[in-house]
Amino acid sequence: EAQVTQNPRYLITVTGKKLTVTCSQNMNHEYMSWYRQDPGLGLRQIYYSMNVEVTDKGDVPEGYKVSRKEKRNFPLILESPSPNQTSLYFCASSPPRGTGELFFGEGSRLTVL
Amino acid sequence: DAKTTQPPSMDCAEGRAANLPCNHSTISGNEYVYWYRQIHSQGPQYIIHGLKNNETNEMASLIITEDRKSSTLILPHATLRDTAVYYCIVRNAGNNRKLIWGLGTSLAVNP
Repeated sequence: EAQVTQNPRYLITVTGKKLTVTCSQNMNHEYMSWYRQDPGLGLRQIYYSMNVEVTDKGDVPEGYKVSRKEKRNFPLILESPSPNQTSLYFCASSPPRGTGELFFGEGSRLTVL
Repeated sequence: DAKTTQPPSMDCAEGRAANLPCNHSTISGNEYVYWYRQIHSQGPQYIIHGLKNNETNEMASLIITEDRKSSTLILPHATLRDTAVYYCIVRNAGNNRKLIWGLGTSLAVNP
């Protein structure tokens, strides 16, 4: 089954404790992206990647890092999480051609205390 | 990227057509109109997109006005499972497939 898989789905952590949210897609998509969703603000793009070893900042990259060493994986790294990074995070991928449709993962709900 | 305006909420009776409007008066010539929906806090799901012409797929129809300043998503026979937040987004064909998300329309399908 074609899918985007995120882990963990839920996480409660404390300020400053480094964490990684993994994202993996099995559709051989070149494009991948991370969004965060907050009440009243909608979804905002954090980082995106056009292909392996090619990443770029979205609209709200501060406090986040990403890497793209393999086509299927696009982890989101919070080096020193802070409470304002408490949010619902979505990973998405898209094929290089076609509709431009984004395929989203099921989300990772992160709480930073 | 152009912004969109949608009503915050709508109701629809089960089995009836749901018509969700979207205003995108500042859309430019190379921008597409996309519709996604999000059920509860699940990952958004692509529904349909179009540039100028009306489009139809197994999920919905998209009607775009001739001046492209507004569009309507039509769910022909709404079911309870169609209760969700529906997002209308305009996007150019650039390499970064970033979507500028508004707050969407919360559609409640009632029995």
